[in-house]
Amino acid sequence: AQSVTQLGSHVSVSEGALVLLRCNYSSSVPPYLFWYVQYPNQGLQLLLKYTTGATLVKGINGFEAEFKKSETSFHLTKPSAHMSDAAEYFCAVSRSFSGGYNKLIFGAGTRLAVHP
Amino acid sequence: SQTIHQWPATLVQPVGSPLSLECTVEGTSNPNLYWYRQAAGRGLQLLFYSVGIGQISSEVPQNLSASRPQDRQFILSSKKLLLSDSGFYLCAWTGQGVGYEQYFGPGTRLTVT
Repeated sequence: AQSVTQLGSHVSVSEGALVLLRCNYSSSVPPYLFWYVQYPNQGLQLLLKYTTGATLVKGINGFEAEFKKSETSFHLTKPSAHMSDAAEYFCAVSRSFSGGYNKLIFGAGTRLAVHP
Repeated sequence: SQTIHQWPATLVQPVGSPLSLECTVEGTSNPNLYWYRQAAGRGLQLLFYSVGIGQISSEVPQNLSASRPQDRQFILSSKKLLLSDSGFYLCAWTGQGVGYEQYFGPGTRLTVT
């Protein structure tokens, strides 16, 4: 069964510093992996996704993530944090079922704080 | 392009009152639809999903129910709200098939008093 672990429920960085949010997954089949961002009182917005092909995935707002099969990881990074990056971030793995539908298994989320 | 709507945006209801939250999707057909709940300080809990009209699957036992009367309409209901039903309710859709990302609506903040 698929599962997702996000290491660190809270991460705090200085503006301009590197952002690193960690995600490890468990999957018995090749995974489809996603990162979402949620700003206060808003829905989730897709940052990026990995399905197949290139293991370094670029997303919106300068974020990227690297799929490492050997480490079962899909960490999210951004070279330079901006105040507007403060939000909650969710990593997810897709689980497929017969009948043509899928479910996303979400991690518990990481709240990113950016301070001046 | 596809859009997803939820209403109301916020709702304050007394314990024991009924509930109806609505979600509609535009710009796609035959989507898979999902209802999630976020309790304060907690992650996402999948409540219901639907692969077609009238087809509802429940993930957790509770006093909520869901219905899908039309292809792009998904309704979350309760006959009698509990305090524990408070939370942020999110609707999402995805295309058919594997690996498809889910797209989320703006959410409904429900406070049960």
